[in-house]
Amino acid sequence: AQSVTQLGSHVSVSEGALVLLRCNYSSSVPPYLFWYVQYPNQGLQLLLKYTTGATLVKGINGFEAEFKKSETSFHLTKPSAHMSDAAEYFCAVIILGGAGSYQLTFGKGTKLSVIP
Amino acid sequence: GAVVSQHPSWVICKSGTSVKIECRSLDFQATTMFWYRQFPKQSLMLMATSNEGSKATYEQGVEKDKFLINHASLTLSTLTVTSAHPEDSSFYICSARVPSGPNTGELFFGEGSRLTVL
Repeated sequence: AQSVTQLGSHVSVSEGALVLLRCNYSSSVPPYLFWYVQYPNQGLQLLLKYTTGATLVKGINGFEAEFKKSETSFHLTKPSAHMSDAAEYFCAVIILGGAGSYQLTFGKGTKLSVIP
Repeated sequence: GAVVSQHPSWVICKSGTSVKIECRSLDFQATTMFWYRQFPKQSLMLMATSNEGSKATYEQGVEKDKFLINHASLTLSTLTVTSAHPEDSSFYICSARVPSGPNTGELFFGEGSRLTVL
């Protein structure tokens, strides 16, 4: 069974500083990896995803993530934090199996606070 | 990307009443939709997988008679919280899986529905 671990339930950065949100996964087969952002009282919005191909993926709002198979990681980064980045971020692993099987696992989330 | 819409966004009801939440895929057909519950400051908890034309598959610990799921068409799934009680107050989110095309396997989420049971 796959699992997702997000290190740090709460991360605080200063405005303009680097954002690094960590995500490690375990899976017996190649996974699809996603980062979602959730603003208060809203659903989840896809930031970026890795399926196949280039391991460095760029998403919306200046975020990017790199799939590192050897480290089983998919950390989310942004060079310069903006106040509007304050939100909850979820890492997710999706495994597509045979006969249409579909396994989804979310991390517990990391709340990002941006300090002016 | 694909759009999933939930309705209502906010609902307040009295204890003992039933509440229906709708989840619609607006620009694609979703054979599979998912319902989640999210408690404050926590991650999403998968409640059930809704399959068009068949019974929903519930996760362990989720009462299927309490949370009725109907997936009557390829663009609509509904979650009905029956005989709601204050402990059912939560944020309910649906998602739909894109079955084909460039976004195959990707999930798109609804805006969420905040249920408050008085």
